[in-house]
Amino acid sequence: AQSVTQPDIHITVSEGASLELRCNYSYGATPYLFWYVQSPGQGLQLLLKYFSGDTLVQGIKGFEAEFKRSQSSFNLRKPSVHWSDAAEYFCAVGGSGGYNKLIFGAGTRLAVHP
Amino acid sequence: EAEVAQSPRYKITEKSQAVAFWCDPISGHATLYWYRQILGQGPELLVQFQDESVVDDSQLPKDRFSAERLKGVDSTLKIQPAELGDSAMYLCASSSDPGETQYFGPGTRLLVL
Repeated sequence: AQSVTQPDIHITVSEGASLELRCNYSYGATPYLFWYVQSPGQGLQLLLKYFSGDTLVQGIKGFEAEFKRSQSSFNLRKPSVHWSDAAEYFCAVGGSGGYNKLIFGAGTRLAVHP
Repeated sequence: EAEVAQSPRYKITEKSQAVAFWCDPISGHATLYWYRQILGQGPELLVQFQDESVVDDSQLPKDRFSAERLKGVDSTLKIQPAELGDSAMYLCASSSDPGETQYFGPGTRLLVL
């Protein structure tokens, strides 16, 4: 069955510290992978996506993610967190072709201390 | 930059009442999605349209929920009658084609009392 696991429900970091949010997926075919960010009461904004090619993907707001097929992971990283990064982050998996829907993880809530 | 529009942004209703949500996708996007996001969880797909046709409604509670996209552009999601457990954020998204990047609207927050 297709699934996404985000092991960390809540993470707190200090402003300026590095960040890594974990995402593990289960998918029967070649996955398309996404990270979205959601501010309170708002919709989801796409941070970055992986379809194919280079396994290190650069996104907006200084975020990057690395696809590791052997570990079924797509972890999100940022070298230096800003207070405005406080939000909820969702990893999602989908497929190419057909009517493949996105399967979302439960999300990781990020808090940033000054 | 083109965006997905949704209205209303917030809706409070009493159980057993009918509610309706509207979504206008990014112009030219053939694929439209309705998701439900319960507090503390990730979004879950309710229904997916390709143009005016439903291609996936496997998670839509069809006894009370309905969705339409009559002209293949904007869409309406209806709940009748609303139940307490329907309180959630309802998100609309669109993409140029299935499997392509989905762009989300701001959502409608529903509270059923």
